[in-house]
Amino acid sequence: EIAMTQSPATLSVSPGERVTLSCRASQSVISNLAWYQQKSGQTPRLLIYGASTRATGIPARFSGSGSGTEFTLTISSLQSEDFAIYYCQQYKTGVNFGQGTRLEIK
Amino acid sequence: QVQLQESGPGLVKPSETLSLTCIVSGASITSYYWGWIRQPPGKGLEWIGYMYHSASGNTKYNPSLKSRVTMSVDTSKSQFSLKVNSVTAADTAVYYCAKLGTNYYFDYWGQGALVTVSS
Repeated sequence: EIAMTQSPATLSVSPGERVTLSCRASQSVISNLAWYQQKSGQTPRLLIYGASTRATGIPARFSGSGSGTEFTLTISSLQSEDFAIYYCQQYKTGVNFGQGTRLEIK
Repeated sequence: QVQLQESGPGLVKPSETLSLTCIVSGASITSYYWGWIRQPPGKGLEWIGYMYHSASGNTKYNPSLKSRVTMSVDTSKSQFSLKVNSVTAADTAVYYCAKLGTNYYFDYWGQGALVTVSS
């Protein structure tokens, strides 16, 4: 099983800031990595797949990068609607989710 | 527009079988993979499994749940189902059905169904 570790667990940021979230895989997943956003009480929403491809309708301020075992999700200028929990998911071998990073308002 | 809707009992007794159905609209159930994910209250996401509508595709379950989980597809009703047997309180969660994209990521999700395991 591939373990996914996200850091930090919680990030306090101000609107307008640039933020980078990290996701590490216990072994290489190549580019088989997705990111999801889950707002409080809502269903997860796909943001990024293939490590760097934005899903349909996702704003350009969201970008993903990385390959192998190290991945990042960057939000270039945080909007109020971006405060949520973000999960990474590998799909190279089975499926594993990270434990999530919570973005909260500073 | 792709839509998925879970249905099933919200309360299941310990040791019994949890059964959920997901009705699909806006996409052909024979063209994609379909999956289930769950989320215990206040916790993160846990993958349960995914499957294709026929034996020509992969069916894959989370190894930690594999012995208790069965997934199936009913193409005539455009729906797929999940069964988890021998449930305990640890199976209490919101259960999401989802459509898989061009690879094994989840691009469309249902609204989720809370299932509580309690006597």
